[in-house]
This record gives sequence, C-alpha cells and structure tokens, in this order.
Amino acid sequence: QVHLQESGPGLVKPSETLSLTCSVSGGSISDSTRDYYWTWIRHHPEKGLEWIGHVHHRGITNYNPSLKSRVTISVDTPRRQFSLRLTSLTAADTAVYYCARGYCVTTDCPLDFWGQGTLVTVSS
Amino acid sequence: AIQMTQFPSSLSASVGDRVTITCRASQDIRIDLGWYQQKPGKAPKLLIFAASSLQGGVPSRFSGSGSGTDFTLTISSLQPEDSAVYYCLQDHSYPCTFGQGTKLEIK
Repeated sequence: QVHLQESGPGLVKPSETLSLTCSVSGGSISDSTRDYYWTWIRHHPEKGLEWIGHVHHRGITNYNPSLKSRVTISVDTPRRQFSLRLTSLTAADTAVYYCARGYCVTTDCPLDFWGQGTLVTVSS
Repeated sequence: AIQMTQFPSSLSASVGDRVTITCRASQDIRIDLGWYQQKPGKAPKLLIFAASSLQGGVPSRFSGSGSGTDFTLTISSLQPEDSAVYYCLQDHSYPCTFGQGTKLEIK
C-alpha cells in the first residue's frame, strides 16, 4: 500500500518561503513502465480545493498559473521524496496542503493516494 | 483554465435514497474526470476515475457517467457513511481544476 506523508512548518511569516516535503513509502516513486505525477493540492477553508502543480518522476513539471512564478515542485528519487517551495507568502496562502500521487490510466491521471494533509498558517 | 461547475452545492437526503451530483466543464474534457469524497479532517478519497471507472475498494453503489462537458456521480442507495463533501476534478488540461464541491447531508 502506498503511503504519503507531508512534513514542514505549520507557521510561516508573511513574505517568507514555504518548503514542504512529501515522503513516499510502500511503492515506487519512479517506474519506467508507469507514469506517476507527484502532486500538491491545497484546501482553503472557504474556497475549496486548488491544484498547485505536479512533477513527473522524470522531472517534468506543470504548475497552476494562479501561483505565477512563486511555486517550484521537485522530486528526489533516491530519497523517495518530492517537495513544494512557495515564495512570497501572504495570508491567502493559509491552507491545508496535501501531497498526492497521480497515476495515469489511459489519458486520465487520477489522484489515487493522498497524504493526510498539513495545515500551514501564514501569520506574523 | 477549464471551469468546473458543480451542483448542487449542498443537498440533504435520506438513507436509501438515490442521489445525483453533476459537474459541467466549460469545454470538452473527454472522460478526463474523477470524483472524490472528502470527510471532515481527512484527505479526499478517489471514488471514480476516467468518468465512469470505479476505484478499487469503493462500494458499487457509487457510479459515474458522462463525457465531453457533462458528468454525474450517482449514489444508488445512500448510506449514513456517505455524509461528506464530493468534488469533481478534471485533468484534461492544465491547470487541473476542481468543482466547488457538494456537501451531502444525511437526514
């Protein structure tokens, strides 16, 4: 059974940078025969779910344009981890952050395994 | 970005009822849509992928249908444990986008 676990600070100051890591266990983070997209999503209290972006195990990334140039997602295959970096934080970035695995089945890549989520609060 | 309009935003139904939730995409997304269930304090859980394929371990009372722009999630016989918020997610084009969610309450 694949297990994902987020780690990182729960409180960050405005204008600072958020760094979160997702550790993957119980399954491969890279498989030459399958397409995995390691994904970050956040859940704003009043705004629902927002897709932040993902990284393919070969390092290809896609990001939500709403986050402009503030976001970077990377993968560390030997450590079985992938990471989120979000700069210039504001209170609007306060949310529960989830990591998840996207596993491609034909043209669809559903998010089949999720971490438990970690609350990040942006406040001075 | 593709807009996903989900409705209703909330509904209340009784155990045993048949419940339908709808998502409409702002453009053709073929069958690149999934349905997720989220309970309070928990991560979303995948129910349906590729519009109509049931994820392993999900009860057969859940089903999905649709293609193109109109999609539905149906619960054939509502159970108490189905109380949750349900979301659709399109991954046909980037950025992937979620519907606004449907809060399902059991009467």
